Amino acid sequence: GDSVTQMEGPVTLSEEACLTINCTYTATGYPSLFWYVQYPGEGLQLLLKATKADDKGSNKGFEATYRKETTSFHLEKGSVQVSDSAVYFCARGTDKLIFGTGTRLQVFP
Amino acid sequence: GAVVSQHPSWVICKSGTSVKIECRSLDFQATTMFWYRQFPKQSLMLMATSNEGSKATYEQGVEKDKFLINHASLTLSTLTVTSAHPEDSSFYICSARLGASGTYEQYFGPGTRLTVT
Repeated sequence: GDSVTQMEGPVTLSEEACLTINCTYTATGYPSLFWYVQYPGEGLQLLLKATKADDKGSNKGFEATYRKETTSFHLEKGSVQVSDSAVYFCARGTDKLIFGTGTRLQVFP
Repeated sequence: GAVVSQHPSWVICKSGTSVKIECRSLDFQATTMFWYRQFPKQSLMLMATSNEGSKATYEQGVEKDKFLINHASLTLSTLTVTSAHPEDSSFYICSARLGASGTYEQYFGPGTRLTVT
């Protein structure tokens, strides 16, 4: 069945370091792709999305590009902040969402 | 942005009892609500989709008689775990969507941690 695979965490970085969280998806159909973020004690929030191949989603300095040829949707940020510490979920789908296992990011000053 | 609340945020119950979890959309009317289950270090697994006023659609492998879902209004859906057992212990998350179409964004609640002793 359809699935999403993302790198295990935790990812530990110093402030202002570069971030990449890998995400790959099964290529059945033409799904939309999403990154959600969950801050401690809060619900998942949509961070960014892309609906078709080569689309780039961006928000709050985060970016991800829908790569059909590699079935990937890696999350990137050039300079992370302590406030970016959270769990990040990659997801695919349109009507129903299929999530990856989540990657915890810890940013230290 | 749209806010979804869940109540309770955590609950401990004894084996054999039933537990009800509420999911509310606070500032919008949700045509569709979803219930997910999350095990430690695993992804969110969709349990069921409910549309206001109609029966929920359960995912394969989810026991509809054990996980009763009611979506009686456009702002409230409830999940009742009946005759709970320790293996039902998990983190339950709901989401709500303004429209029936997948083009609408899902807004997530903060989750409810259920522990069955």
